[in-house]
Amino acid sequence: NAGVTQTPKFRVLKTGQSMTLLCAQDMNHEYMYWYRQDPGMGLRLIHYSVGEGTTAKGEVPDGYNVSRLKKQNFLLGLESAAPSQTSVYFCASNYYGDGYTFGSGTRLTVV
Amino acid sequence: AQKITQTQPGMFVQEKEAVTLDCTYDTSDPSYGLFWYKQPSSGEMIFLIYQGSYDQQNATEGRYSLNFQKARKSANLVISASQLGDSAMYFCAMREGIGGATNKLIFGTGTLLAVQP
Repeated sequence: NAGVTQTPKFRVLKTGQSMTLLCAQDMNHEYMYWYRQDPGMGLRLIHYSVGEGTTAKGEVPDGYNVSRLKKQNFLLGLESAAPSQTSVYFCASNYYGDGYTFGSGTRLTVV
Repeated sequence: AQKITQTQPGMFVQEKEAVTLDCTYDTSDPSYGLFWYKQPSSGEMIFLIYQGSYDQQNATEGRYSLNFQKARKSANLVISASQLGDSAMYFCAMREGIGGATNKLIFGTGTLLAVQP
């Protein structure tokens, strides 16, 4: 099925560990986004990309890095996880001016 | 900078009644789009309705309608004939610039709706 696929769906990390979240879309969308969702705060934009090879910071970029080496993939990296990064992470993509397609989310717990 | 405000953290509504979820926004861009999403307890983001800043009529999608008052910068979601399955978190979101350079979507903090039988 066409859409946005996020892996993994769940993960528990120890403080200081690193990990990469993968977002893959098969709709040839130019734009891709990473959000985090925390209780009472809605979805906040971490980083986004307006095309292959480009990335930009959103509202809450600290502690995260991203890469978009291929158009269909947008990777979110945590180099040294902290408990404050415990959250649900959503990836989204869209084409110029169209609606957005969201992934099903990744629930990350940092202990 | 663009901002979305949802002032109702939680709402109750009786089944079959209508409910209005409030959303106000702030932007200096004359061209923007407003979205509403539903997030049930299962966690996925479900698109409900869209309103463009230049649209002359309020958007409607089935039981959902968007009460767009441009001068007041409000974009309230109206759900008619509430159903138990409408119980969920609802997010208002805005994109500055129609098909703009970044297409960033900025969200409000959400309203948790509970439909009571």
